[in-house]
Amino acid sequence: GESVGLHLPTLSVQEGDNSIINCAYSNSASDYFIWYKQESGKGPQFIIDIRSNMDKRQGQRVTVLLNKTVKHLSLQIAATQPGDSAVYFCAENAFNDMRFGAGTRLTVKP
Amino acid sequence: DAGITQSPRHKVTETGTPVTLRCHQTENHRYMYWYRQDPGHGLRLIHYSYGVKDTDKGEVSDGYSVSRSKTEDFLLTLESATSSQTSVYFCAIRAGVTGTQYFGPGTRLLVL
Repeated sequence: GESVGLHLPTLSVQEGDNSIINCAYSNSASDYFIWYKQESGKGPQFIIDIRSNMDKRQGQRVTVLLNKTVKHLSLQIAATQPGDSAVYFCAENAFNDMRFGAGTRLTVKP
Repeated sequence: DAGITQSPRHKVTETGTPVTLRCHQTENHRYMYWYRQDPGHGLRLIHYSYGVKDTDKGEVSDGYSVSRSKTEDFLLTLESATSSQTSVYFCAIRAGVTGTQYFGPGTRLLVL
């Protein structure tokens, strides 16, 4: 998993398996959270978001879980594919001040 | 891609020279941001703009200035580039009621 500001961790999964990427956020006032995907040499790409009044949100093959009690966010990717290989990072927003984690590098093995 | 372009995409320059990076958006967003991205760090805010001629500093603004004379363009200037400013620079816009930020493709800057 990752925390805002720590060195980039890595996660390696087999193609077809599910991936879980974690993020610990720091500001209890944060009310909006985003997961971004960043492929090598490209800009961050929005994947999914969640507001603090929710604890789960699903997208296409992705699910974000929010646990406000322990200030923890996770991104689950179902049936991980080679195209999912990238750096994933979370962002927390409090009063329009957005802070970004350093990210987790996901590698998908064929 | 939220209609954001950045130019140049790559630049190599020498210490002490001025450098200007350009961010252009086509969707009339009010808020624009400049970030730098370095290994082991999350995106760090340099400056942002909340309208034409309205800008403010972020957490790592030293050595950088910005200008926004038109809604669609947000310029980042390194007055006198230093090696510590070698980085990848991203521009972003803020969109929607949630304030989600969408990013441009980035500019990779190397200061020798």
